[in-house]
Amino acid sequence: NAGVTQTPKFQVLKTGQSMTLQCAQDMNHEYMSWYRQDPGMGLRLIHYSVGAGITDQGEVPNGYNVSRSTTEDFPLRLLSAAPSQTSVYFCASSYKGTPNSPLHFGNGTRLTVT
Amino acid sequence: DAKTTQPTSMDCAEGRAANLPCNHSTISGNEYVYWYRQIHSQGPQYIIHGLKNNETNEMASLIITEDRKSSTLILPHATLRDTAVYYCIGLFSGTYKYIFGTGTRLKVLA
Repeated sequence: NAGVTQTPKFQVLKTGQSMTLQCAQDMNHEYMSWYRQDPGMGLRLIHYSVGAGITDQGEVPNGYNVSRSTTEDFPLRLLSAAPSQTSVYFCASSYKGTPNSPLHFGNGTRLTVT
Repeated sequence: DAKTTQPTSMDCAEGRAANLPCNHSTISGNEYVYWYRQIHSQGPQYIIHGLKNNETNEMASLIITEDRKSSTLILPHATLRDTAVYYCIGLFSGTYKYIFGTGTRLKVLA
């Protein structure tokens, strides 16, 4: 049982490049979400999903796309990277349908856009 | 969703109880209060949550005021490993928008 797995751990992009941050969970959680954390700041919600085929925007969705084709995976796409997207990205999941299921976080992807 | 406010930072002596306050004056009746902590740059870790009653687990205790406008997380015997940023968040039952604030940076002193 690996929990929430994020890949890659580190990534450097040039402005304008695109990439996909991967997130996978093996706990059969229906809820998954993406956060970004800028240096010295708290976490801000980018997008979330309550099940396969369902996604919704969080606090800071601009510049990011998501899709949820399977329960296990929730990739985050940067279509045209900008320096303002330099951040640490965390994926989290929980069991849908009950508030008594806490979020499980991955270890993060550290992204630098130059 | 309830907006939560927390002090920016706190210090606590090792072995003493750490009491971390959280104000959530806009919380509604169906909104749970969750506490997480983040050590260094790792992913946040769940600590405890509650709705109305006080809660206790192996990590901490959560005291929620009767009017539910504030709560306190208690680490009964703080250790150096409890040095972290602690986040208090509110979550509507049936919604999934976990909104984190900036948290409280707790430093446990030897």
